[in-house]
Amino acid sequence: SAVISQKPSRDICQRGTSLTIQCQVDSQVTMMFWYRQQPGQSLTLIATANQGSEATYESGFVIDKFPISRPNLTFSTLTVSNMSPEDSSIYLCSLNHRGGYTFGSGTRLTVV
Amino acid sequence: SQQGEEDPQALSIQEGENATMNCSYKTSINNLQWYRQNSGRGLVHLILIRSNEREKHSGRLRVTLDTSKKSSSLLITASRAADTASYFCATDAASGYSTLTFGKGTMLLVSP
Repeated sequence: SAVISQKPSRDICQRGTSLTIQCQVDSQVTMMFWYRQQPGQSLTLIATANQGSEATYESGFVIDKFPISRPNLTFSTLTVSNMSPEDSSIYLCSLNHRGGYTFGSGTRLTVV
Repeated sequence: SQQGEEDPQALSIQEGENATMNCSYKTSINNLQWYRQNSGRGLVHLILIRSNEREKHSGRLRVTLDTSKKSSSLLITASRAADTASYFCATDAASGYSTLTFGKGTMLLVSP
């Protein structure tokens, strides 16, 4: 199965700043997914990122707040913009490769 | 959108005992998957059961699926302290593009 390298693993950021999270995959995949997991909660899909097209955002998430890049089939970034304490969460990237889902190790974000 | 619901939300057992977690969902699915998450980090895929399957085994794990009741169960036999984690079910919908919808999770604590 494909392997994802996600970084940073954690960060503490000041409110009003932005953080970009990166996911590198060791093989080419068409679709990548970004999830948010708020403290003590389950995972919520933020958006689906296809290479060469705009990301598709789920209800409640907008591009201005969570811009996503997908420059090639092995890489994607998620930016959490103009952060507030409510953005403190774990963010995970994921992919569907040959029918199986793989997740990155997650980025634990704390906004102070 | 559909959402898996797990019960119980938390489960505390002794080593050697069996742990059973249940999941319900709302719409038609292609498959249902179970994941484990240790300490709020990345997810580990445990097992996938397709909509035309009723039961599946993997080591100490046994998963059942009842599509008429839109429910699934995960049984961990002879639990170990290392099984302590959060467990999530996730459904892959039968319509639209393939994404996972996660349930709220069960936090399992296995005491030595």
